[in-house]
Amino acid sequence: KAGVTQTPRYLIKTRGQQVTLSCSPISGHRSVSWYQQTPGQGLQFLFEYFSETQRNKGNFPGRFSGRQFSNSRSEMNVSTLELGDSALYLCASSLQTYTNEKLFFGSGTQLSVL
Amino acid sequence: QQQVKQSPQSLIVQKGGIPIINCAYENTAFDYFPWYQQFPGKGPALLIAIRPDVSEKKEGRFTISFNKSAKQFSLHIMDSQPGDSATYFCAAKIADRSGGYQKVTFGTGTKLQVIP
Repeated sequence: KAGVTQTPRYLIKTRGQQVTLSCSPISGHRSVSWYQQTPGQGLQFLFEYFSETQRNKGNFPGRFSGRQFSNSRSEMNVSTLELGDSALYLCASSLQTYTNEKLFFGSGTQLSVL
Repeated sequence: QQQVKQSPQSLIVQKGGIPIINCAYENTAFDYFPWYQQFPGKGPALLIAIRPDVSEKKEGRFTISFNKSAKQFSLHIMDSQPGDSATYFCAAKIADRSGGYQKVTFGTGTKLQVIP
C-alpha cells in the first residue's frame, strides 16, 4: 500500500508570493491533517479535513487555507508569504476512528521564503 | 499555549544505555498519548501509544510509563542502538467521539543521539 505522498518536496519562494502544497493520503483514509514543523516549536496543527469538510482549525492566520477533494487528496495554500512561513509542512492521513487514531505522515514539503 | 511540555531538548547516550524522555500535559481531557519517531528527511512515524487506563506499555525495546495523577508520561528506550538516533515527539489527544475532530497536540521534540 502506498504511503502519504506530498509534492513538491522542496519549494523556494519570495515574500509576498503564494504557494500551493499537495497531499495524497493513503488509499481509504478520509481524514487529512496538516502540520507546520519548525525547529524548537515542534509540530503545530494547521487544519484537518474529512470528506471535503474542514472539521478543525489551528491558530494560524487566514493566509493559510486548505481544501480536500472528493478523492480525499488535499491541498494547502499560503498567500502573501512571509519570512516566518519558512518551515517543513507535513500532511498526515488517518482512518480517524476511536480504536485507530494513528497518523501516517508524508515526508513533507520544505518551504523556504526568501 | 504549550499544552504538552517535553524534555530534554536533546540527549546523547552510549550504545546500550537507556535514554528517558519526559512529557507533561495540562489538559485532563486528553485520553490518548502517542509517541512519534522522526528520522532526518522523513515525516514522523508512530512508535507506541498509551491510553490512561494503564500505567505502562511495552513494545519491543520501547516502554511508555504513564502517571495520570501527575499528568506526566515518559518514553524509555532499552538497550539503545545507533539506529535509534532520531527526533522523538510525545503527543496528546482527546478521542473523537461525536464525529468531530480533536487535534493532536505535540511536544517540541527531543533529538536523541546514540553513540557507538
